[in-house]
Amino acid sequence: GAGVSQSPSNKVTEKGKDVELRCDPISGHTALYWYRQSLGQGLEFLIYFQGNSAPDKSGLPSDRFSAERTGGSVSTLTIQRTQQEDSAVYLCASRPGGTSSYEQYFGPGTRLTVT
Amino acid sequence: DQQVKQNSPSLSVQEGRISILNCDYTNSMFDYFLWYKKYPAEGPTFLISISSIKDKNEDGRFTVFLNKSAKHLSLHIVPSQPGDSAVYFCAARPGTASKLTFGTGTRLQVTL
Repeated sequence: GAGVSQSPSNKVTEKGKDVELRCDPISGHTALYWYRQSLGQGLEFLIYFQGNSAPDKSGLPSDRFSAERTGGSVSTLTIQRTQQEDSAVYLCASRPGGTSSYEQYFGPGTRLTVT
Repeated sequence: DQQVKQNSPSLSVQEGRISILNCDYTNSMFDYFLWYKKYPAEGPTFLISISSIKDKNEDGRFTVFLNKSAKHLSLHIVPSQPGDSAVYFCAARPGTASKLTFGTGTRLQVTL
């Protein structure tokens, strides 16, 4: 079946502009995660959605970052007033709910470059 | 505060030999550990996992060892193949949360 998809694959934006990154999880997966990977760093947790529960936003680095998940499926990560330090690969992952498996399935990522 | 550490940024191994990738963690609440492999321009893909109630899990050429007292785990790949060349991430999950904490990765190069 189809895996996690993300769009765009690459995004170059000017400092101060807003960007939206999209994630389509695997159909039927109730859990959705956003991570980012800056150059030379590991994957940094940003936000987690599980079904209709309130999202875990504990990893969002500032109030310029927000995310929503509509209809329990597609998610959008929005970065307002982008800064150069926001340049990174943004990865989305999903996981089936109601399972003891903690494996997350990742999309290919969106490479964001802020100039 | 890096709770999951992969102290070797890179490793080079000859084809057919054993690759050993190491990971250390500091949070004693971690109870489940995973290894992911990442090729360039792709998302990480799940490789193998281990629960804290075990000390070894094996899947084909891949074996993960967990030493809870040392807060250390390792991934063994035997025999190593050129297609194993990738970045390997160690990840850990605390019992009360669903999010994973990742290490910084080790780039494995398997040479002919």
